[in-house]
Amino acid sequence: EPEVTQTPSHQVTQMGQEVILRCVPISNHLYFYWYRQILGQKVEFLVSFYNNEISEKSEIFDDQFSVERPDGSNFTLKIRSTKLEDSAMYFCASSGQPANYEQYFGPGTRLTVT
Amino acid sequence: DAKTTQPNSMESNEEEPVHLPCNHSTISGTDYIHWYRQLPSQGPEYVIHGLTSNVNNRMASLAIAEDRKSSTLILHRATLRDAAVYYCIRTQTGANNLFFGTGTRLTVIP
Repeated sequence: EPEVTQTPSHQVTQMGQEVILRCVPISNHLYFYWYRQILGQKVEFLVSFYNNEISEKSEIFDDQFSVERPDGSNFTLKIRSTKLEDSAMYFCASSGQPANYEQYFGPGTRLTVT
Repeated sequence: DAKTTQPNSMESNEEEPVHLPCNHSTISGTDYIHWYRQLPSQGPEYVIHGLTSNVNNRMASLAIAEDRKSSTLILHRATLRDAAVYYCIRTQTGANNLFFGTGTRLTVIP
């Protein structure tokens, strides 16, 4: 069964450093998403991406964040200058249709900022 | 804003049916109801979704009230693997995101 994959599973970085989280969505999907979950808290929407552009973003997704689909298979989330409060689990998701249909989530990348 | 209300926690005995309620009294006519679940240390997993009619799939059934102000996720026979946090989420037509609330933590008792 096709699945969304994410690398790395755990990333440790120092405050102020740039990180790139990588995702490989399901191959025939067209809609891509990033969510995050701070330990013990809700899953929060960050951004959705379709047709090579951002279709929607939350207040969390400020200028420090960017997304890219550099080739036909990868979808990345970049945080330019990490802060302690960016420590969280980051989930990538993809869907074949907009959010009114099912989204498939990856296993997540745990980002620890020290 | 998830705009749904769910109990914080529920328990079920293994092999018994489970009915997880969700209140969405302010739902509009074109909002969909989705259910996702999150097993421990995993990403959310799609369970089922519907608009007006009851829906069945291999994982669960979704019963939507006639006035659409509430719905119930039905797991026909709970297994230990079904222990998870279950999220009831409304989405507007054409929306591109999911707003997760705090969900219902389901404990399955062997």
